[in-house]
Amino acid sequence: RKEVEQDPGPFNVPEGATVAFNCTYSNSASQSFFWYRQDCRKEPKLLMSVYSSGNEDGRFTAQLNRASQYISLLIRDSKLSDSATYLCVVNMGGQLTFGSGTQLTVLP
Amino acid sequence: DTGVSQNPRHKITKRGQNVTFRCDPISEHNRLYWYRQTLGQGPEFLTYFQNEAQLEKSRLLSDRFSAERPKGSFSTLEIQRTEQGDSAMYLCASSRRQALDSGNTIYFGEGSWLTVV
Repeated sequence: RKEVEQDPGPFNVPEGATVAFNCTYSNSASQSFFWYRQDCRKEPKLLMSVYSSGNEDGRFTAQLNRASQYISLLIRDSKLSDSATYLCVVNMGGQLTFGSGTQLTVLP
Repeated sequence: DTGVSQNPRHKITKRGQNVTFRCDPISEHNRLYWYRQTLGQGPEFLTYFQNEAQLEKSRLLSDRFSAERPKGSFSTLEIQRTEQGDSAMYLCASSRRQALDSGNTIYFGEGSWLTVV
């Protein structure tokens, strides 16, 4: 079993749609959690941290459920520019472990 | 530009040759990480340094791979006797020591693309 698992997609959604990505992690001692965004052939960039209380940044909402070892990302009113791969990332003992990513394409 | 800098950005080499990548981290960051990413996968951890000390190495880092950070600033990743399976993007990242513990994170360079033919 992978340490961080994501649905690879691809998710193809129309502009304005709401889309949700899920992620599970195996290590219950994991300390902190993030979503990164990666454009094609570019480096990953931090999208947002994920907190137990849930957090929102504009159209993006992240949730963490420690009991279920589950992380989610919700994108509302999706834009063409949201097209990218979204990486679920878990801090396990001082190093970041990445999921394989979920590919999103927002269609006009 | 004060971000993480990597070079060369692209390298094509023949199987069996040695290659070396360089990473210059953000100047106030004392942790430096190397990751490898292949198509359709997320970045995979290779190794990291706290200042000049190499604190952890992944089992992915075979004996053909060696990383150094001699003065605690820039780092090099050398691959000896390259194989076609080494073709990937090699990503360097840096952070402050407390970054991960406090919920902050690491910052990546643009990556070095290696193609072994």
